[in-house]
Amino acid sequence: NAGVTQTPKFQVLKTGQSMTLQCAQDMNHNSMYWYRQDPGMGLRLIYYSASEGTTDKGEVPNGYNVSRLNKREFSLRLESAAPSQTSVYFCASSRDYEGDTQYFGPGTRLTVL
Amino acid sequence: AQSVTQLDSQVPVFEEAPVELRCNYSSSVSVYLFWYVQYPNQGLQLLLKYLSGSTLVKGINGFEAEFNKSQTSFHLRKPSVHISDTAEYFCAVSERGGGFKTIFGAGTRLFVKA
Repeated sequence: NAGVTQTPKFQVLKTGQSMTLQCAQDMNHNSMYWYRQDPGMGLRLIYYSASEGTTDKGEVPNGYNVSRLNKREFSLRLESAAPSQTSVYFCASSRDYEGDTQYFGPGTRLTVL
Repeated sequence: AQSVTQLDSQVPVFEEAPVELRCNYSSSVSVYLFWYVQYPNQGLQLLLKYLSGSTLVKGINGFEAEFNKSQTSFHLRKPSVHISDTAEYFCAVSERGGGFKTIFGAGTRLFVKA
Protein backbone atom coordinates (compact mmCIF):
# COMPACT_ATOMS: atom_id res chain seq x y z
CA ASN A 1 0.00 0.00 0.00
CA ALA A 2 1.96 3.02 -1.28
CA GLY A 3 -0.58 5.71 -0.29
CA VAL A 4 -0.03 8.86 -2.36
CA THR A 5 2.87 8.92 -4.80
CA GLN A 6 4.22 11.88 -6.76
CA THR A 7 6.64 12.17 -9.66
CA PRO A 8 9.12 13.66 -10.15
CA LYS A 9 10.71 14.41 -6.76
CA PHE A 10 12.81 17.28 -8.10
CA GLN A 11 12.63 19.37 -11.27
CA VAL A 12 14.44 22.41 -12.64
CA LEU A 13 12.79 24.34 -15.45
CA LYS A 14 13.64 27.43 -17.43
CA THR A 15 11.13 30.25 -17.65
CA GLY A 16 8.54 29.45 -20.30
CA GLN A 17 8.98 25.69 -20.26
CA SER A 18 6.07 23.40 -19.52
CA MET A 19 5.78 20.31 -17.39
CA THR A 20 3.27 18.00 -15.74
CA LEU A 21 3.43 16.81 -12.16
CA GLN A 22 1.93 13.38 -11.65
CA CYS A 23 0.03 12.12 -8.60
CA ALA A 24 -1.56 8.77 -7.88
CA GLN A 25 -3.29 7.26 -4.85
CA ASP A 26 -4.16 3.65 -4.12
CA MET A 27 -6.60 4.21 -1.23
CA ASN A 28 -9.74 4.38 -3.39
CA HIS A 29 -10.27 7.99 -2.30
CA ASN A 30 -12.74 10.13 -4.19
CA SER A 31 -11.18 13.55 -3.55
CA MET A 32 -7.75 14.77 -4.57
CA TYR A 33 -5.90 18.06 -4.12
CA TRP A 34 -2.88 20.01 -5.29
CA TYR A 35 -1.15 22.42 -2.89
CA ARG A 36 1.94 24.56 -3.07
CA GLN A 37 4.10 25.23 -0.03
CA ASP A 38 6.13 28.41 0.23
CA PRO A 39 8.22 29.55 3.22
CA GLY A 40 6.15 31.39 5.81
CA MET A 41 2.92 30.84 3.91
CA GLY A 42 1.89 27.33 4.80
CA LEU A 43 0.05 25.32 2.16
CA ARG A 44 -2.18 26.97 -0.39
CA LEU A 45 -4.72 25.07 -2.43
CA ILE A 46 -4.21 25.28 -6.19
CA TYR A 47 -6.94 22.97 -7.49
CA TYR A 48 -9.00 20.13 -6.15
CA SER A 49 -11.15 17.35 -7.50
CA ALA A 50 -14.07 16.36 -5.30
CA SER A 51 -14.76 13.27 -7.40
CA GLU A 52 -13.73 11.65 -10.66
CA GLY A 53 -14.70 13.88 -13.55
CA THR A 54 -14.83 17.15 -11.59
CA THR A 55 -12.21 19.78 -10.84
CA ASP A 56 -12.42 23.16 -9.11
CA LYS A 57 -10.14 26.11 -8.49
CA GLY A 58 -8.57 26.70 -5.12
CA GLU A 59 -6.91 29.82 -3.74
CA VAL A 60 -4.07 30.16 -6.28
CA PRO A 61 -5.06 28.55 -9.62
CA ASN A 62 -3.50 31.06 -12.02
CA GLY A 63 -0.83 29.54 -14.24
CA TYR A 64 -1.91 25.96 -13.60
CA ASN A 65 -4.22 23.39 -15.13
CA VAL A 66 -5.28 20.00 -13.80
CA SER A 67 -6.63 16.72 -15.10
CA ARG A 68 -8.41 14.05 -13.10
CA LEU A 69 -7.44 11.20 -15.38
CA ASN A 70 -9.34 8.55 -13.42
CA LYS A 71 -10.14 7.88 -9.77
CA ARG A 72 -6.48 7.18 -8.95
CA GLU A 73 -4.64 9.91 -10.83
CA PHE A 74 -4.65 13.71 -10.64
CA SER A 75 -2.06 15.67 -12.62
CA LEU A 76 -0.98 19.30 -12.41
CA ARG A 77 0.33 21.10 -15.49
CA LEU A 78 2.37 24.26 -15.77
CA GLU A 79 1.95 25.51 -19.34
CA SER A 80 4.55 28.28 -19.22
CA ALA A 81 6.59 28.19 -16.04
CA ALA A 82 7.51 31.40 -14.23
CA PRO A 83 10.01 31.99 -11.39
CA SER A 84 7.05 32.75 -9.09
CA GLN A 85 6.07 29.10 -9.45
CA THR A 86 9.24 27.94 -7.71
CA SER A 87 7.82 26.01 -4.78
CA VAL A 88 7.25 22.60 -3.25
CA TYR A 89 4.12 20.96 -4.61
CA PHE A 90 2.09 18.45 -2.63
CA CYS A 91 -0.67 16.19 -3.80
CA ALA A 92 -3.20 14.89 -1.27
CA SER A 93 -6.29 12.71 -1.22
CA SER A 94 -9.23 12.08 1.07
CA ARG A 95 -12.52 10.22 1.12
CA ASP A 96 -15.54 12.14 0.03
CA TYR A 97 -16.89 13.74 3.17
CA GLU A 98 -16.18 16.89 5.08
CA GLY A 99 -13.83 16.76 8.00
CA ASP A 100 -11.90 13.87 6.56
CA THR A 101 -8.16 13.44 6.94
CA GLN A 102 -6.06 14.35 3.93
CA TYR A 103 -3.19 12.01 3.04
CA PHE A 104 -0.20 13.69 1.47
CA GLY A 105 2.42 12.61 -1.00
CA PRO A 106 6.14 13.29 -0.44
CA GLY A 107 6.17 16.41 -2.59
CA THR A 108 7.87 17.72 -5.73
CA ARG A 109 10.48 20.44 -5.35
CA LEU A 110 10.29 22.67 -8.45
CA THR A 111 12.74 25.42 -9.32
CA VAL A 112 12.05 27.77 -12.22
CA LEU A 113 15.07 29.73 -13.40
CA ALA B 1 -14.27 32.89 4.76
CA GLN B 2 -12.21 31.03 7.26
CA SER B 3 -8.64 31.86 8.25
CA VAL B 4 -5.98 30.41 10.53
CA THR B 5 -3.24 32.14 12.50
CA GLN B 6 -0.39 30.29 14.08
CA LEU B 7 1.00 32.67 16.61
CA ASP B 8 4.59 31.44 16.70
CA SER B 9 6.73 30.80 13.66
CA GLN B 10 9.43 29.03 15.68
CA VAL B 11 9.42 27.39 19.11
CA PRO B 12 12.72 26.18 20.58
CA VAL B 13 12.41 23.92 23.61
CA PHE B 14 14.62 21.57 25.59
CA GLU B 15 14.06 17.83 25.51
CA GLU B 16 11.58 16.57 28.13
CA ALA B 17 10.09 20.05 28.59
CA PRO B 18 6.39 20.73 27.89
CA VAL B 19 5.38 22.62 24.77
CA GLU B 20 2.32 24.47 23.50
CA LEU B 21 1.88 25.50 19.87
CA ARG B 22 -0.81 28.12 19.47
CA CYS B 23 -3.48 28.30 16.79
CA ASN B 24 -6.38 30.72 16.40
CA TYR B 25 -8.99 30.56 13.67
CA SER B 26 -11.70 32.78 12.28
CA SER B 27 -14.97 31.58 10.81
CA SER B 28 -18.62 32.58 10.80
CA VAL B 29 -19.82 28.97 10.93
CA SER B 30 -18.93 25.80 12.76
CA VAL B 31 -15.61 24.29 11.84
CA TYR B 32 -13.50 21.17 11.75
CA LEU B 33 -9.97 21.64 13.08
CA PHE B 34 -6.77 19.74 12.37
CA TRP B 35 -3.12 19.58 13.34
CA TYR B 36 -0.69 18.10 10.82
CA VAL B 37 3.03 17.45 11.25
CA GLN B 38 5.70 17.62 8.57
CA TYR B 39 9.05 15.96 9.22
CA PRO B 40 12.00 17.15 7.12
CA ASN B 41 11.68 16.33 3.43
CA GLN B 42 8.35 14.56 3.88
CA GLY B 43 4.69 15.25 3.25
CA LEU B 44 2.24 16.19 5.98
CA GLN B 45 0.58 13.61 8.20
CA LEU B 46 -2.33 14.00 10.59
CA LEU B 47 -1.60 14.39 14.30
CA LEU B 48 -5.19 14.87 15.45
CA LYS B 49 -8.50 16.46 14.51
CA TYR B 50 -11.60 17.88 16.11
CA LEU B 51 -14.91 17.11 14.43
CA SER B 52 -17.43 17.36 17.27
CA GLY B 53 -18.00 16.20 20.84
CA SER B 54 -15.30 16.36 23.50
CA THR B 55 -13.21 19.48 23.20
CA LEU B 56 -10.04 17.69 24.30
CA VAL B 57 -8.64 15.67 21.45
CA LYS B 58 -5.81 13.18 21.79
CA GLY B 59 -3.57 12.34 18.86
CA ILE B 60 -0.53 10.35 17.96
CA ASN B 61 2.88 10.60 19.61
CA GLY B 62 1.46 11.93 22.90
CA PHE B 63 0.06 15.17 21.48
CA GLU B 64 -3.29 16.62 22.45
CA ALA B 65 -5.26 19.75 21.59
CA GLU B 66 -8.17 21.59 23.11
CA PHE B 67 -10.91 23.26 21.12
CA ASN B 68 -12.00 26.52 22.73
CA LYS B 69 -14.99 27.91 20.87
CA SER B 70 -15.23 31.17 22.84
CA GLN B 71 -11.59 31.99 22.17
CA THR B 72 -11.63 30.45 18.68
CA SER B 73 -8.46 28.55 19.50
CA PHE B 74 -7.11 25.05 19.01
CA HIS B 75 -3.76 24.93 20.77
CA LEU B 76 -1.54 21.85 20.54
CA ARG B 77 0.27 20.54 23.63
CA LYS B 78 2.67 17.84 24.67
CA PRO B 79 3.79 17.39 28.30
CA SER B 80 7.30 16.14 27.48
CA VAL B 81 8.93 16.49 24.05
CA HIS B 82 11.58 14.34 22.44
CA ILE B 83 14.29 15.17 19.92
CA SER B 84 12.25 13.24 17.37
CA ASP B 85 9.40 15.78 17.70
CA THR B 86 11.51 18.32 15.83
CA ALA B 87 9.33 19.15 12.81
CA GLU B 88 6.98 21.75 11.39
CA TYR B 89 3.42 21.74 12.67
CA PHE B 90 0.44 23.07 10.75
CA CYS B 91 -2.97 24.00 12.09
CA ALA B 92 -5.81 23.75 9.56
CA VAL B 93 -9.52 24.55 9.45
CA SER B 94 -12.42 23.67 7.21
CA GLU B 95 -15.97 24.92 7.50
CA ARG B 96 -18.98 22.70 8.00
CA GLY B 97 -20.96 22.90 4.80
CA GLY B 98 -17.96 24.47 3.08
CA GLY B 99 -17.12 21.47 0.97
CA PHE B 100 -13.60 20.21 0.72
CA LYS B 101 -11.73 23.47 1.16
CA THR B 102 -9.18 23.38 3.98
CA ILE B 103 -7.15 26.42 5.01
CA PHE B 104 -3.70 25.85 6.50
CA GLY B 105 -1.79 28.11 8.83
CA ALA B 106 1.72 29.28 8.04
CA GLY B 107 3.27 26.62 10.28
CA THR B 108 5.25 26.52 13.52
CA ARG B 109 8.72 25.06 13.48
CA LEU B 110 9.34 23.12 16.70
CA PHE B 111 13.02 22.65 17.49
CA VAL B 112 13.81 20.32 20.37
CA LYS B 113 17.27 20.75 21.88
CA ALA B 114 19.20 18.17 23.89
